[in-house]
Amino acid sequence: GAGVSQSPSNKVTEKGKDVELRCDPISGHTALYWYRQRLGQGLEFLIYFQGNSAPDKSGLPSDRFSAERTGESVSTLTIQRTQQEDSAVYLCASSQMTGSSGNTIYFGEGSWLTVV
Amino acid sequence: AQSVTQLGSHVSVSEGALVLLRCNYSSSVPPYLFWYVQYPNQGLQLLLKYTSAATLVKGINGFEAEFKKSETSFHLTKPSAHMSDAAEYFCAVRPSGYSTLTFGKGTMLLVSP
Repeated sequence: GAGVSQSPSNKVTEKGKDVELRCDPISGHTALYWYRQRLGQGLEFLIYFQGNSAPDKSGLPSDRFSAERTGESVSTLTIQRTQQEDSAVYLCASSQMTGSSGNTIYFGEGSWLTVV
Repeated sequence: AQSVTQLGSHVSVSEGALVLLRCNYSSSVPPYLFWYVQYPNQGLQLLLKYTSAATLVKGINGFEAEFKKSETSFHLTKPSAHMSDAAEYFCAVRPSGYSTLTFGKGTMLLVSP
């Protein structure tokens, strides 16, 4: 597609349930990122995938969070046993990775997660 | 480690007035710097970026930013605010050789008639 696509756009879940959030990056983009944006706060880096390299998981807040990526396409962020503090917008982004840190990172519209 | 500080969580201006949103960064290596805008209920859109070419960078919607190494700053300006500029603005740094962006906490721009 033309941009980064995320689904669902909105998700309300009960505390303790597992949720999966999906991201479809821009075609041809080898780098994929997940960020979290909690109400009134900036963006927190969660995880980064680049091609077939091992992902950078340094931003994942706990072992309840995990993410996978199939080749250089779709990624899924999974949150197990959700807590109320997990309520946030989860933003996916992608970029070309040609060795330049100046490459633009393009963001999707986010998945709004509410844990009740 | 790198970081970004945005002074002022909220900035209010009148329509037609100068917009100035401040951003200071820290980075141990030459940085690439970005400004993103987020309209209500939308994702982030790139306004402009500095990639070590010209220090004065022009972006979309009449915005520009100047990279000042001596001040470690990358402030965003627009000569005349429009009502449609009301949004949240994020400054981000990506040091040379790094893959991820580090964001500031954002500044909400409010524009009054």
